Amino acid sequence: AQRVTQPEKLLSVFKGAPVELKCNYSYSGSPELFWYVQYSRQRLQLLLRHISRESIKGFTADLNKGETSFHLKKPFAQEEDSAMYYCALRGQGAQKLVFGQGTRLTINP
Amino acid sequence: GAVVSQHPSRVICKSGTSVKIECRSLDFQATTMFWYRQFPKQSLMLMATSNEGSKATYEQGVEKDKFLINHASLTLSTLTVTSAHPEDSSFYICSASFGGTYEQYFGPGTRLTVT
Repeated sequence: AQRVTQPEKLLSVFKGAPVELKCNYSYSGSPELFWYVQYSRQRLQLLLRHISRESIKGFTADLNKGETSFHLKKPFAQEEDSAMYYCALRGQGAQKLVFGQGTRLTINP
Repeated sequence: GAVVSQHPSRVICKSGTSVKIECRSLDFQATTMFWYRQFPKQSLMLMATSNEGSKATYEQGVEKDKFLINHASLTLSTLTVTSAHPEDSSFYICSASFGGTYEQYFGPGTRLTVT
């Protein structure tokens, strides 16, 4: 079964502090992993995907197959990073996404 | 580019009536559209996957006769909640994808309240 787990429903850090949003997955094959972000009153949008190996808005995420994790990190949080973050998985050859429960990140000034 | 719209953004209907929600891809042809449901403070739950010109594929536990999905064109999919009940009140979100990348572009969502 495909499953995505985000253990933290809420995460609060101070501006300038490092941020790590945790994501673990369960999938027997080689999945594609994504992070989506939803800012206040806006639609869900793609933040980054593991195959791109890029940094978006200072965020990075590395797929760790041994630990089945895809944690999202940023070294220095900014107030505009406050949002809801969802980790998602897509199985090999599949179209659909399986979402985690989401983590609400709040950056305090 | 890759903008998806939904209409209406909010709808209130009486119990027992049906309500239709539209999802449109504005600047691309969506070969596949997805319908999600999101309860307050919870994640998105996929209801069904709809490929243009084909019958929708529903997720386990989703009633096909209650949530009718039509994807008649490459830019429009509709979700009709039939005989709505208060427990159907939720936030319904569609997404659309095209080509082989399967990247999904999300609509802004529709808040349905059944009284």
